[in-house]
Amino acid sequence: DAGVTQSPTHLIKTRGQQVTLRCSPKSGHDTVSWYQQALGQGPQFIFQYYEEEERQRGNFPDRFSGHQFPNYSSELNVNALLLGDSALYLCASSLVGRASYNEQFFGPGTRLTVL
Amino acid sequence: KNEVEQSPQNLTAQEGEFITINCSYSVGISALHWLQQHPGGGIVSLFMLSSGKKKHGRLIATINIQEKHSSLHITASHPRDSAVYICAAGNTDKLIFGTGTRLQVFP
Repeated sequence: DAGVTQSPTHLIKTRGQQVTLRCSPKSGHDTVSWYQQALGQGPQFIFQYYEEEERQRGNFPDRFSGHQFPNYSSELNVNALLLGDSALYLCASSLVGRASYNEQFFGPGTRLTVL
Repeated sequence: KNEVEQSPQNLTAQEGEFITINCSYSVGISALHWLQQHPGGGIVSLFMLSSGKKKHGRLIATINIQEKHSSLHITASHPRDSAVYICAAGNTDKLIFGTGTRLQVFP
């Protein structure tokens, strides 16, 4: 049973460019959350996708957008990259249920460097 | 003030020592997570708890809901326990993370 997978592992872009990061959730999971972790900091919540719609969003500008596909995989897009977007981007999957909260399983992350 | 605070930020220990990492939170939670992050970046969930105490091997996590405080204990620490330990508050299906505690255990 594959866990959460992310691609690519590493990525180098220049300011102003656009980037797309990909995440496949753990088998059986239907919800994907994205987090940004700057060096030396804890992860920050970007947004969460469920049933192909953005369900919750953190305090990130509209340059950050996402998508969820019918197979529950997800993409994170960042436009007009800034140096400050350099970070580890983590994807976590979970299964929405009747419980108020469900455990999240994390992928290995994509390390984005903006030059 | 951060919604989730951890202490200490950095911790060094000799192999075999008992270790405690503390977490205080100010938000309402559905569950409190303890996570481990190794230098490569991958995060592993250690515990998810909403009350009382949980134990897994040499790791013990406790939570006091009234005081909004949780602790992670490591008994008989080992160099392979060296990692960043992160506390996260589960709130309406999103996680609010602390900044982490960097633990180094020396032989």
